[in-house]
This record gives sequence, C-alpha cells and structure tokens, in this order.
Amino acid sequence: SYELTQPPSVSVSPGQTARIPCSGDALPKKVAFWYQQKSGQAPVLVIYKDTERPSGIPERFSGSSSGTTVTLTISGVQAEDEADYYCQSVDTSGTYSVFGGGTKLTVL
Amino acid sequence: QVQLEESGGGVVQPGKSLRVSCAASGFTFSSYTMHWVRQAPGKGLESVAVIIYDGSLQYYADSVKGRFTISRDNSKNTVYLQMNSLRSEDTALYYCAAEVAAGPDFYFEIWGRGTLVTVSS
Repeated sequence: SYELTQPPSVSVSPGQTARIPCSGDALPKKVAFWYQQKSGQAPVLVIYKDTERPSGIPERFSGSSSGTTVTLTISGVQAEDEADYYCQSVDTSGTYSVFGGGTKLTVL
Repeated sequence: QVQLEESGGGVVQPGKSLRVSCAASGFTFSSYTMHWVRQAPGKGLESVAVIIYDGSLQYYADSVKGRFTISRDNSKNTVYLQMNSLRSEDTALYYCAAEVAAGPDFYFEIWGRGTLVTVSS
C-alpha cells in the first residue's frame, strides 16, 4: 500500500526556517497537499498541488517537490506556527487519500 | 458561511453500533464527494470512507470494511457513517471533509470540527 513518511518532530527557534519533508514512492507522479493542525482544532490546508498557497495563508509558507520527496518550508517561523503538519496525497487508483504520520513543529 | 458540523458521537460498548452525521451548509453539497477521516487520541489522520456526490459509489479503508457504511441524503445536505461491531481501536475523533478535485488528485478544503467516538466497556 502507498505510504507517506514524515519525521515525527522538527524544532526551530523563532525567526528561523523550518523544513518538513514528506517522502513517498509515488510522489514523482502524484501531487501533495499540506495541512496545519493546531491543538484541539481541525486541519487547515496550507499548501496544495505541491507548491500553491491558498488565499489567507501567510507567504512564509511554501512548498517544493523533488523526486520522491516534497517539503513544506516555513520561513521566519513564528510562535503561532507551532502545530502538527500533515502531508497528503492520493493513491494510484485516485480513490483513497493517504496521509503522512504527521510532524510536530516546536517553536523553541 | 461554508460549514460542516458533525454530531452523534459518544461512548459505546465494544461490539455495539453508532451512527454519526455531518450536516453541510453554505455550499452545493450535492456536487461534492465526501469523506470521513478519523484521528485516534494523540495519533495522525486516517481516511475511513468515501462517498461520491450522488451516493452511487462508496469506498472504505481495510480497517473498517464490512463494519462501517457511509451514506448521504442530498435533500438534507447530510452525510452519515454507520459504525457496527465497534472495537476499541475505533476510538477517535471523526471528521467529515469535502473533497476538491486537483486533476486526478484531490484534497480537503472544508473540514468539520469532529465528533468523538469512544469505544469502551
């Protein structure tokens, strides 16, 4: 079955750049999406189709793709960015969504 | 405004049944494929079930196949998840989410706040 792999945690100091990778064998052929989930809240889409940013999402959030890895980058991290981040893609049948295990971003 | 609101969660004994609902408002519900996504306490997101816009096709994760049934009533702008033969590992916050197509792929633009299902004796 299709799997997406993320590191369990990433820590950065305020103002630094956080990079959260997500790897999966099908990612060269599939696009990825990123969600931010703050404690006690529903997920919120922050990046779609690897690199696109929805309206209302700060410019410090960006996405990139290279081979089997997609990366969420948060430039100039702020305390309010502390959250869990999930990558998501779709299986090869186009039917099921697949989520990475999530990465907890800690702002030191 | 655009909204999904889940209801019907609660505490249920192992082996019993429960039906959760998700009411949509603020968008054309009948045009959207809908998903149930769950999150066990302290864990990640897991897709559980999918139903296409007119209800004619449903898909399930292997972990719930044969036990859960997804359905919808477009006249009521509501999607349901009937959960039978519940197990302790089904304990989770259950979200409904509306799918947005991105070519052959899709993502979730609209999420509810979730309803908590606890399976415990």
